[in-house]
Amino acid sequence: DGGITQSPKYLFRKEGQNVTLSCEQNLNHDAMYWYRQDPGQGLRLIYYSQIVNDFQKGDIAEGYSVSREKKESFPLTVTSAQKNPTAFYLCASQRGDTGNEKLFFGSGTQLSVL
Amino acid sequence: SQQGEEDPQALSIQEGENATMNCSYKTSINNLQWYRQNSGRGLVHLILIRSNEREKHSGRLRVTLDTSKKSSSLLITASRAADTASYFCATAPGGTALIFGKGTTLSVSS
Repeated sequence: DGGITQSPKYLFRKEGQNVTLSCEQNLNHDAMYWYRQDPGQGLRLIYYSQIVNDFQKGDIAEGYSVSREKKESFPLTVTSAQKNPTAFYLCASQRGDTGNEKLFFGSGTQLSVL
Repeated sequence: SQQGEEDPQALSIQEGENATMNCSYKTSINNLQWYRQNSGRGLVHLILIRSNEREKHSGRLRVTLDTSKKSSSLLITASRAADTASYFCATAPGGTALIFGKGTTLSVSS
């Protein structure tokens, strides 16, 4: 059953804590993306990776970090430097390394601050 | 940087009516994509239209692209309650990562 899996579905962060959101895909896609969505808003790009061991900052990378050690995995860490982390986080993958292919999305992780 | 912007922000119609939403963008593009999002879920790709295409159909969906006006429209014909969702356009300025607009929230009542 091919697809893209995000976990957990819900995550709570305490003050000053780092948390990591998981994103795994078995579609053999080269590119992976992280977006943040606030209520009633569109998606804002956090980080993206077009190839293993390489990634680029998006529009709102401050307070976040990523790694791409394996083709299938692109975890996102929300650090304590991100002062307003409450949002819905979406991971996506893409077959090619350009914007000419469609994105496949996971079902999202809702992050809230305790 | 918000590349695309959808209009209207919200749209309420009755079942059976047509729904039209528009997208405007700022820079030149290779293609424009439309996605759908049900509440609390991930986005699902609907249709991709290339810069050399003017119109594209997929089932009850019709997408147009006017590169001279930097705009696109998505028409859903004979709407159903199940079409209730948010709809987003997306483009890749510079040919890299897709950038999304803020979306149009469509509500179809029976």
